[in-house]
Amino acid sequence: DADVTQTPRNRITKTGKRIMLECSQTKGHDRMYWYRQDPGLGLRLIYYSFDVKDINKGEISDGYSVSRQAQAKFSLSLESAIPNQTALYFCATSDGPTEAFFGQGTRLTVV
Amino acid sequence: GEDVEQSLFLSVREGDSSVINCTYTDSSSTYLYWYKQEPGAGLQLLTYIFSNMDMKQDQRLTVLLNKKDKHLSLRIADTQTGDSAIYFCAQGDSGNTGKLIFGQGTTLQVKP
Repeated sequence: DADVTQTPRNRITKTGKRIMLECSQTKGHDRMYWYRQDPGLGLRLIYYSFDVKDINKGEISDGYSVSRQAQAKFSLSLESAIPNQTALYFCATSDGPTEAFFGQGTRLTVV
Repeated sequence: GEDVEQSLFLSVREGDSSVINCTYTDSSSTYLYWYKQEPGAGLQLLTYIFSNMDMKQDQRLTVLLNKKDKHLSLRIADTQTGDSAIYFCAQGDSGNTGKLIFGQGTTLQVKP
């Protein structure tokens, strides 16, 4: 089984819909992150969490919210999806600064 | 703010060496990283270098860090077709929180 599992892998949704992307990890790490990847822009940090009670905004948090349901679970929500949120979304986990473990990504299309 | 820059594309012949370059702006970063992304997959750490090092070698990979010029490079010796992927340079934040600032990614194409 993968260390970091993201569901769904692909999703097409309509403008204005609420959508949740889920992430779970089996590494036992406290730190979890959500990134967004756009072609030619690399990955940008949306939100990060150091434990269940510690959630922080990243570089591009507007239009997104998160929930840390347990040490192993970190969900990303788009309250009202818009087309420029079409992107590849990655969840990651780490126990410090040396290595982050990434999920396989969720490809989200907003039409 | 912090920024990381990479060229977008590199093409090499199988067996040649590949050199991917990166510049960064935050001189307080403790760690600098190279991640690899294969098609349809997430990112996987290739290597990282601590900011007080100039060079790190790991099998076919050599990382060079020039702190004065804020320049990081990744050299892949004897490049194989299986090395075709997107390579991301990233810098960690000064607080060592694990947050990463990524470059745009360099697509490495290896021709047989």
